[in-house]
Amino acid sequence: QQPVQSPQAVILREGEDAVINCSSSKALYSVHWYRQKHGEAPVFLMILLKGGEQKGHEKISASFNEKKQQSSLYLTASQLSYSGTYFCGTELNNAGNMLTFGGGTRLMVKP
Amino acid sequence: DVKVTQSSRYLVKRTGEKVFLECVQDMDHENMFWYRQDPGLGLRLIYFSYDVKMKEKGDIPEGYSVSREKKERFSLILESASTNQTSMYLCASSLGGALHFGNGTRLTVT
Repeated sequence: QQPVQSPQAVILREGEDAVINCSSSKALYSVHWYRQKHGEAPVFLMILLKGGEQKGHEKISASFNEKKQQSSLYLTASQLSYSGTYFCGTELNNAGNMLTFGGGTRLMVKP
Repeated sequence: DVKVTQSSRYLVKRTGEKVFLECVQDMDHENMFWYRQDPGLGLRLIYFSYDVKMKEKGDIPEGYSVSREKKERFSLILESASTNQTSMYLCASSLGGALHFGNGTRLTVT
């Protein structure tokens, strides 16, 4: 079952913050986050495995709630280079990385 | 760095043609995947392979088949292309953990 991502699109000014959410109706084994720039391949950002986990990658961090049904991606003090489409990918069980992706969140950072 | 190479960036085919999309990875990854990407729908899994000659159907396998004769190569086959298969096709590989994607093949079926 496809996870639900929100918002579908967001426009920011440089330096502003954003939160992207990814929700599932079932408890998950893991959540992956990827960013895809226009015309390029999706690039892995991070993976979360444990309920209550928080993980950071420079000014981009993510959390996984205790019930393991929701993850949020936090972009702090956004930069122009953050523009792109962000996807969450979810696994229901440990079955070889068979991810189901959300519909994506298109992020545009303006000067 | 892992490299996943898809043989064509753009393809234009006619309805009814048999189409082969090729993908090669250079990191000895066991798992390989084919996704299609359509606006608003994200990436949808077509097929997955966890070893040579092994394959599993993903969420949308209808109209597609796959072949994995060697560990590094995973092919997607459209037996009889149709216009609703016009899409961006992405190949990926993994060892468990992060997926590494190719740059995609944009297929247009006319």
